[in-house]
Amino acid sequence: KAGVTQTPRYLIKTRGQQVTLSCSPISGHRSVSWYQQTPGQGLQFLFEYFSETQRNKGNFPGRFSGRQFSNSRSEMNVSTLELGDSALYLCASSRTGGGLEGYGYTFGSGTRLTVV
Amino acid sequence: QQQVKQSPQSLIVQKGGISIINCAYENTAFDYFPWYQQFPGKGPALLIAIRPDVSEKKEGRFTISFNKSAKQFSLHIMDSQPGDSATYFCAASKDSGGSYIPTFGRGTSLIVHP
Repeated sequence: KAGVTQTPRYLIKTRGQQVTLSCSPISGHRSVSWYQQTPGQGLQFLFEYFSETQRNKGNFPGRFSGRQFSNSRSEMNVSTLELGDSALYLCASSRTGGGLEGYGYTFGSGTRLTVV
Repeated sequence: QQQVKQSPQSLIVQKGGISIINCAYENTAFDYFPWYQQFPGKGPALLIAIRPDVSEKKEGRFTISFNKSAKQFSLHIMDSQPGDSATYFCAASKDSGGSYIPTFGRGTSLIVHP
């Protein structure tokens, strides 16, 4: 059974640029969430998509956006990159949104974004 | 405001020992408490989870103890092994429109010496 696939694994961008990260969830999973992981702030929730609709959103500026396609694949976009956006971006998928036994979130290995 | 507080930040134990990680939460609406294990270069992986209607849940060497009145829960790793060396995150979540989005603690880096 294939896991959650995130591409690319590593990315280096210049301040002011924009970036798009991709996430392919486990087959049959309709919920996709994105997290930012940094040493200083830990794991912080960005947003969650379910059946192509944003269902939950964290406290991040509007520069962070996402979308989900009909095949449940998801992308997140960060515009006007800042040095502080350097982080590991994690995608997680679940069948319905986690919480029930056996329906928890499965994380990908992440995309390491470095902004210089 | 940190909704889930986790301690200690780091932990070193000897092989065969017991590792204990503690978490506390503020929001009484939380009703699902998962623990995640993360190895370097990997994303967090769900280890074990508990709901507040039980005080303890055990899966192999891993046990969650839950104290609803104190709003605290902890992870016990019995007979700790070097392969358990990883970062552990507690989390708390509640129903948000059908989703249980985890709010994570800051993590505990566990090192188990052989």
